[in-house]
Amino acid sequence: DTGVSQNPRHKITKRGQNVTFRCDPISEHNRLYWYRQTLGQGPEFLTYFQNEAQLEKSRLLSDRFSAERPKGSFSTLEIQRTEQGDSAMYLCASSLNKNTEAFFGQGTRLTVV
Amino acid sequence: AQSVTQLGSHVSVSEGALVLLRCNYSSSVPPYLFWYVQYPNQGLQLLLKYTSAATLVKGINGFEAEFKKSETSFHLTKPSAHMSDAAEYFCAVSASNTGNQFYFGTGTSLTVIP
Repeated sequence: DTGVSQNPRHKITKRGQNVTFRCDPISEHNRLYWYRQTLGQGPEFLTYFQNEAQLEKSRLLSDRFSAERPKGSFSTLEIQRTEQGDSAMYLCASSLNKNTEAFFGQGTRLTVV
Repeated sequence: AQSVTQLGSHVSVSEGALVLLRCNYSSSVPPYLFWYVQYPNQGLQLLLKYTSAATLVKGINGFEAEFKKSETSFHLTKPSAHMSDAAEYFCAVSASNTGNQFYFGTGTSLTVIP
C-alpha cells in the first residue's frame, strides 16, 4: 500500500461550478478525515467517517459541501456552487482507529476563479 | 475542547544549531499530541506522537518532544539542524477519550541558514 491517495492534485474551476475530489485511504484504515488548509494556516477539520458512517461535521462544512464514503472504502468530497472563498488545499487523512496517528494524502489544491 | 498554540510563526536557525519549536496545548481531557511536518505542496508527515506512555518521545529525522503536563507544553527539538529540516511544522492534539478529530496549530515555518 502506497499510502493515502488524493485525486486530482490540482483543480481550477470557475465560480459557481461544482467540483468533486476523491480520496483513497490506506486499505485497512477505518477512519477517514477531510481537512481544509488555507495559506499560512493549519489544517481545519471538516468531517470524518468511521467506516461508511459520517460521524461528525464541522460548522465549516456548509450545505454546499457533501462528503460520502460508500462501502467504507474511498471517499468523495463535493462542493456545489463554488465560491472564491473555497480556494484552499483539501487534505484527506486516514487512521486505523481512534487515537492512532492520521496519515495524510498530498492534498487537492482548489482554485476558484 | 482541545486546542494548540504554536508560539512563533517563523523560526530561523543556523545549520548545526539547536532547533526548538514551541507548542502549548489546551485540553479538557488527557490529550494525545502529535507533531507533523509539511514540505511545500505536500501533505503532512508524522514526526512523532505522545499517547500517554513515555513523556519524552523520539521521532524520525532526529526530532524529539517532551510532554510536560505542568506546563501544558509539547515542544519539538532537534540537537543539530540540517538544511533538509526547512519546512512547516504543525502541532496537533486529540482527545484521548474520543479521538474524533485532530486540532492543529497555525504552524511554524523553519528556515535553516547555511
